[in-house]
Amino acid sequence: EVVMTQSPATLSVSLGERVTLSCRASHSVSSNLAWYQQKPGQVPRLVIFGAATRATGFPARFSAGGSGTEFTLTISSLQSEDVAIYYCLQYNNWPPWTFGPGTKVEVK
Amino acid sequence: EVQVVESGGGLVQPGGSMRLSCEASGFTFRSHVMIWLRQAAGKGLEWISYISPSGTTRYYADSVKGRFTVSRDNAKSSLFLHMDSLRADDTAVYHCATLGDFGDFFDYWGQGTLVTVSS
Repeated sequence: EVVMTQSPATLSVSLGERVTLSCRASHSVSSNLAWYQQKPGQVPRLVIFGAATRATGFPARFSAGGSGTEFTLTISSLQSEDVAIYYCLQYNNWPPWTFGPGTKVEVK
Repeated sequence: EVQVVESGGGLVQPGGSMRLSCEASGFTFRSHVMIWLRQAAGKGLEWISYISPSGTTRYYADSVKGRFTVSRDNAKSSLFLHMDSLRADDTAVYHCATLGDFGDFFDYWGQGTLVTVSS
């Protein structure tokens, strides 16, 4: 099983600042990595797939990269609507599919 | 518009059984892999089962293997999860989801149905 870790657990950032979230896999997952955004009380929503491809509906301030075992999600200028928990998911070696524990992004 | 809507959750005693349903619309259900996931309150996301388009291939997370059974009715565009021997740690919101057209990630999720296992 591929174990996913995320850092930091919580990120407190001022509006307009750059945010970088990290995700690490215990084994290479190639580029088969997705990011999800979950706002309070809502269902997770796909942000990124294929490690770097933005999903429909997400603005260009969201970007992502990485391959193998190290991945990042960047929000270039944090907006209030971006406050959420972000989860990474590996879909290279399944079953099982495995999520990271999440990074909570909040406004300082 | 793709929609998946779960139902069937509620309160059940430890050791009991429950059957969840997921009704799909807006896509060719019989051609898609379907997934169940769950999320306990304040916790992370957990994949729990997979079923192939024909229903012949099924996978389960170790945490539910031998207790949960996934099935589907392609004629009714419906997905099911039969849960036996429920435990307190099965308490969670259960979501059905589709597997992506561009990769084996989960793209469309339902709002979920809450299962509470408690005496």
